[in-house]
Amino acid sequence: AQKITQTQPGMFVQEKEAVTLDCTYDTSDPSYGLFWYKQPSSGEMIFLIYQGSYDQQNATEGRYSLNFQKARKSANLVISASQLGDSAMYFCAMRDSGNTPLVFGKGTRLSVIA
Amino acid sequence: EAGVTQFPSHSVIEKGQTVTLRCDPISGHDNLYWYRRVMGKEIKFLLHFVKESKQDESGMPNNRFLAERTGGTYSTLKVQPAELEDSGVYFCASSHVGGQRDYEQYFGPGTRLTVT
Repeated sequence: AQKITQTQPGMFVQEKEAVTLDCTYDTSDPSYGLFWYKQPSSGEMIFLIYQGSYDQQNATEGRYSLNFQKARKSANLVISASQLGDSAMYFCAMRDSGNTPLVFGKGTRLSVIA
Repeated sequence: EAGVTQFPSHSVIEKGQTVTLRCDPISGHDNLYWYRRVMGKEIKFLLHFVKESKQDESGMPNNRFLAERTGGTYSTLKVQPAELEDSGVYFCASSHVGGQRDYEQYFGPGTRLTVT
């Protein structure tokens, strides 16, 4: 069975600094995808970044990058140059190959301080 | 392109009543998923439609929950009768079948259900 672990219930970061949100995963499937979603206070879930298990390079999307360490089964999200608007809940998720449902972690609440 | 929409945004009902949640996926998305987040816990999968067919309903908690997707467009999730433990935020997500970014599930804003 798949499992996502996010060990940081809450994180604080100074504006303009970088922050790393931790995520470890467990699966027996050799083909899988890893995701990060942002949930601001308004409630919607916003897709941020995706990493495939066979991707050779770490995924990047603007200020977001995913530090994928396959041997350690970790998929940490790095947000560079934090902004006040980055304050939100962040969920790490995964699924096996195909259109299977997502398995989520408990989330990390990020607070960006001016 | 319109996103995934859900109705209502909030619902407060008494234990024993019935509630129906609606999800309109992005036009052309054959995959439709329902998820639920109970306060302080993980977001959990409920079920998955491909067009009008239930692909996977292994996450449905019990037979008080009934999901439909007639015609393969919008979907409804009915809870009858509602219990206190059904309170939470119900999310709907949709995605393409196939294509370069078929992995990307687009989420709706969620319906916050409170059972009192």
